[in-house]
Amino acid sequence: QVQLVESGGGVVQPGGSLRLSCVASGFAFNNYGMHWVRQAPGKGLEWVAFIRSGGSEKYYADSVKGRITISRDNSKNTLYLQMSSLRADDTATYYCAKTYVPSAGDYLDYWGQGTLVTVSS
Amino acid sequence: DMQMTQSPSSVSASVGDSVTITCRASQSIRKYLGWYQQKPGEAPKLLICDAINLHSGVPSRFSASGSGTDFTLTISSLQPEDFATYYCQQANSFPLTFGQGTRLEIK
Repeated sequence: QVQLVESGGGVVQPGGSLRLSCVASGFAFNNYGMHWVRQAPGKGLEWVAFIRSGGSEKYYADSVKGRITISRDNSKNTLYLQMSSLRADDTATYYCAKTYVPSAGDYLDYWGQGTLVTVSS
Repeated sequence: DMQMTQSPSSVSASVGDSVTITCRASQSIRKYLGWYQQKPGEAPKLLICDAINLHSGVPSRFSASGSGTDFTLTISSLQPEDFATYYCQQANSFPLTFGQGTRLEIK
């Protein structure tokens, strides 16, 4: 069965950096685009970033552009999110999610359990 | 960027009732609209894609309609497990955007 397991969250000071990882299993990771979505405590969902299956095409939310980089290592079935210049409003649970392929639209059909990032001094 | 506006922000209903949630896009997204259900402490689950198509395993009491800018999600004969927060998401273009969510509470 499809599993996505995030790790790397924690407490970081404003201006700091953090790298999140998401290990995938149960599907052909190298064939699927992948997303990061975040959710601030008590708030709604915010899409963060997307990377195509081969890694060459990437998209970002305006709120994180220039501070966050999405990448993947298909040989390790792992998705990454490198975050820098972190701010208090980056505090959130970060989910990785798999693209639902049968549609031309970009939907997210499997999600991890999330990893909490807290930006605080 | 595309703005997605859901209404209502919250709704109270009883088991057995029917509820409808609406989602409006700031510009046409054709049919590329998804709906998700999220329960407290859990990750979201995909319910509907392409505006009207039930995702695998989703009960038939969930239905959806719409195209262009206006979309609806209807839950008939509410069950206890349906009380959750629902989000729409435009899947037409990047950056992807979600609605602000609709909290469905037990009356």
